[in-house]
Amino acid sequence: AQTVTQSQPEMSVQEAETVTLSCTYDTSENNYYLFWYKQPPSRQMILVIRQEAYKQQNATENRFSVNFQKAAKSFSLKISDSQLGDTAMYFCAFMKHGVNYGGSQGNLIFGKGTKLSVKP
Amino acid sequence: GAGVSQSPSNKVTEKGKDVELRCDPISGHTALYWYRQSLGQGLEFLIYFQGNSAPDKSGLPSDRFSAERTGGSVSTLTIQRTQQEDSAVYLCASSLVAPAGFDNEQFFGPGTRLTVL
Repeated sequence: AQTVTQSQPEMSVQEAETVTLSCTYDTSENNYYLFWYKQPPSRQMILVIRQEAYKQQNATENRFSVNFQKAAKSFSLKISDSQLGDTAMYFCAFMKHGVNYGGSQGNLIFGKGTKLSVKP
Repeated sequence: GAGVSQSPSNKVTEKGKDVELRCDPISGHTALYWYRQSLGQGLEFLIYFQGNSAPDKSGLPSDRFSAERTGGSVSTLTIQRTQQEDSAVYLCASSLVAPAGFDNEQFFGPGTRLTVL
């Protein structure tokens, strides 16, 4: 079974600074997908960034980037130029890849989350 | 709106009562997912619908939980004889193609907060 671990329950950062959220996972799969989701107080999960395990290049989306270390099973999220609107819970998630979708229901396996506070 | 909607937003019930939670996915989305977010367990997957069919119901926590989807659209999650440990936020998500994948994003609703007294 796959597990996702986020070791930082809470973090804070000053506005405009950079913060890195940690995520490790355990799987015996070779092909899979990794995601970071943001959950503001409205409760609606929003996809921040995603990474395919077979791609070595780290994904980037504007101020968000990841450091994907497949051998170490690590997938950290870096937020640059932090903004007050980045304040939220952040969840790391794993999705099994199914060849021709066989064996994968496409469900996400989540870590327990990191509560990020951006301070003015 | 064009997003996933869930109702009610909040539900308070007494232990032993039955509750129904509703999810309206994005129009045309084939796949529908239910997740539960609780303080003790974090976010856990409950069930997946491909059209109106649920290929695997093993994620449901107990036989008090059931779910159905009709017309390839609305889904209802029913909890019978609610217990205090059922208190959680129940999230629904949908994706255009079943199952969801890397390029086939899951879009989440705002959830239903269930409180069992």
